[in-house]
Amino acid sequence: QSALTQPASVSGSPGQSITISCTGTSSDVGGYDYVSWYQQHPGKAPKLMIYEVSNRPSGVSNRFSGSKSGNTASLTISGLQAEDEADYYCRSYTSSSTVLFGGGTKVTVL
Amino acid sequence: EVQLLESGGGLVQPGGSLRLSCAASGFTFSSYAMTWVRQAPGKGLEWVSSIRGSGGTTYYADSVKGRFTISRDNSKNTLYLQMNTLRAEDTAVYYCAKVVRGILSSGNDYWGQGTLVTVSS
Repeated sequence: QSALTQPASVSGSPGQSITISCTGTSSDVGGYDYVSWYQQHPGKAPKLMIYEVSNRPSGVSNRFSGSKSGNTASLTISGLQAEDEADYYCRSYTSSSTVLFGGGTKVTVL
Repeated sequence: EVQLLESGGGLVQPGGSLRLSCAASGFTFSSYAMTWVRQAPGKGLEWVSSIRGSGGTTYYADSVKGRFTISRDNSKNTLYLQMNTLRAEDTAVYYCAKVVRGILSSGNDYWGQGTLVTVSS
C-alpha cells in the first residue's frame, strides 16, 4: 500500500491559520474515523496532536484541530506560532488491518 | 509519568539479526497494545508492527512480514522486536509507542526516544 498523500510543505505567518491535508482512499481515511496526526521536531520523537479524526489529547493546544471529509483528513493550526514549525504526519487504520502514514508535511513559520 | 525506553540498536551486517527491547513504565503495560514504528534517515514514518495487550494478536507491515517478530513480556513490562534477515532498507530509527486504545486504530500517544539500527557491511 502507498503512503497517504500530504503536501510536502505548508507555510504561514505568525498568527495565521494553515491547513494540512491527508488524502487516502475509502479503504483507509474514508472508511474509518481512525485518523491521527503527529508533530515531529528535528531529532525528536513524534508527538500525538489529534486522534480519531478530531480528538485532542490532554496538554495539546486547542489551536490544533482535525476534521475529515470523504477520503481526505485535515489538520488545522490556528494562531500559528514559531514553535509550530515542524514536520507533521497523518496516520490511518486500513481495511487490511494495517496502518499507513502520510509522507509528511514540513510546516514553516515565515 | 509514562516512559518508554528502547535499546538494542546498532550496526549489523546484511542478513544478520538484532533484537530490540522497549522498557515501559508509568502505566498498566498489559492493558495496552504496543507498536513499533521506524523512520529511515531523512524519511517519513513507517508502521512496522503492533501487538495486543495480552500478546495474543500481532500485525505486521508487508515489508517486514516473515522476517520480524513482535512480542512482549508483561511480567517485565517490556516489548520486543526480533529482526531477522536484515536488509539495508531496514536501516532506521525504531520507535516503540503506546496505543491510545484498540490495537491499530486510535493512534499512539506516548513514544520512546528511538534506537538506531544500521544494516551495512
